Amino acid sequence: QKEVEQNSGPLSVPEGAIASLNCTYSDRGSQSFFWYRQYSGKSPELIMFIYSNGDKEDGRFTAQLNKASQYVSLLIRDSQPSDSATYLCAVLNSGGGADGLTFGKGTHLIIQP
Amino acid sequence: NAGVTQTPKFRILKIGQSMTLQCAQDMNHNYMYWYRQDPGMGLKLIYYSVGAGITDKGEVPNGYNVSRSTTEDFPLRLELAAPSQTSVYFCASSPRLNEQFFGPGTRLTVL
Repeated sequence: QKEVEQNSGPLSVPEGAIASLNCTYSDRGSQSFFWYRQYSGKSPELIMFIYSNGDKEDGRFTAQLNKASQYVSLLIRDSQPSDSATYLCAVLNSGGGADGLTFGKGTHLIIQP
Repeated sequence: NAGVTQTPKFRILKIGQSMTLQCAQDMNHNYMYWYRQDPGMGLKLIYYSVGAGITDKGEVPNGYNVSRSTTEDFPLRLELAAPSQTSVYFCASSPRLNEQFFGPGTRLTVL
């Protein structure tokens, strides 16, 4: 059973600070990792993907990947109230199947004005 | 492009009734997926398809059926609805085994 673990939160961060969201995964063969943002009552929206060890930056967002530790993180700099949402970590399943992504349960992020 | 569309947005069913949730995409994606999302439980894969005529079970397929007669459409059929099927259902598509793009969802209540 492939597993993706996230702290459910809520994670409360003051406006303007850095929000740090973490995710661990069990499938050691996984090669592709994704972060989705989901506002309450809405569908998941892709915000970042990362394939290689290290950091990947896109605007205020930085994804970090450490395959040896099976750990993925998302940093949000200069947090805004509009960043308040649930953030889902997703891992592309290895093994040759076409069943796609395994999702974590998500971390609920609250940005305090 | 409309992306991934789903109908209906909301539906209330009585126990034992049947219904079909519609999903369509206009991006010519080969891969399509159906998920259910229960509060605090994340996304669970129900069925997926790698192309027209090809479907396979995901993690929680019991009580559901799918078909994929065209690249664009991937309907999900609920037979004999049960309260345990109360959930939000999301359809997603992908051009390859990679990032997925989600529809707006269908909120289903079974009473």
